[in-house]
Amino acid sequence: DAGITQSPRHKVTETGTPVTLRCHQTENHRYMYWYRQDPGHGLRLIHYSYGVKDTDKGEVSDGYSVSRSKTEDFLLTLESATSSQTSVYFCAISESFGQQETQYFGPGTRLLVL
Amino acid sequence: QKEVEQDPGPLSVPEGAIVSLNCTYSNSAFQYFMWYRQYSRKGPELLMYTYSSGNKEDGRFTAQVDKSSKYISLFIRDSQPSDSATYLCAMSGNSGGYQKVTFGTGTKLQVIP
Repeated sequence: DAGITQSPRHKVTETGTPVTLRCHQTENHRYMYWYRQDPGHGLRLIHYSYGVKDTDKGEVSDGYSVSRSKTEDFLLTLESATSSQTSVYFCAISESFGQQETQYFGPGTRLLVL
Repeated sequence: QKEVEQDPGPLSVPEGAIVSLNCTYSNSAFQYFMWYRQYSRKGPELLMYTYSSGNKEDGRFTAQVDKSSKYISLFIRDSQPSDSATYLCAMSGNSGGYQKVTFGTGTKLQVIP
C-alpha cells in the first residue's frame, strides 16, 4: 500500500459521537486525500490537502473536517457521526495534484455508525 | 446522469477468457483516464493510465480510450483467477479551476478456474 497506513481499520460508534480517522504516509508526498466508498456511488472525495495546514473541500464535505499539521499525517474528523456516514474511508496520496495517475490508496477504514 | 457510468456486473468468465470492461463518460474536460483494481477489503491500486485517445498495453492488460465516443475500455487477455476483483475506471480533468478525479462505481469480475 505504498507506505500508507490508516487507523483504526475498523470502528463502530454511536450516532452523535465525534470520530477521528488517521492517515499516515512515509512517502513524503505533498497531496493527500480522503475518500468514502459506498455501493452505487463509487469513490467520492471528501477533503484534500495540498500541503501542511492547506486543505480544501471535495464533493461530499458536509459533516467532515480535516487537519494536516505534519506532511505525513492527515486527519479526518466526523464532528457528530450520523448513520449516513457509515462507509469505507480511504486515504490516498499523490506526488502532484495534476497527475492523478500517481495516486496511491491506503487499506481503508470501515466505519459503522449505529 | 452521472459523469461516469460503469456497469457494476458481476461479470463471471472462465479462466483464459478475454475480458472487456467499459466506462462511458459525459465530461469533455477529462484528459487522463485510469483503471484501478480493488481486491475485496483492500484499497484500489492503479493498473494503468492513459492520456488522450488511443491504446496502451501492459502485459495482459490493454487500455483503450475513444474520446470522440466518450468511451474507455480495459481488456484482460488470458484471464486468471487472480484477476478476480472489482475494477474501477477513473478520469481526471479541469473542473471549476482544479483537477478533479471522478471514479466509476466499479465492475466486479470473477474468473472461474
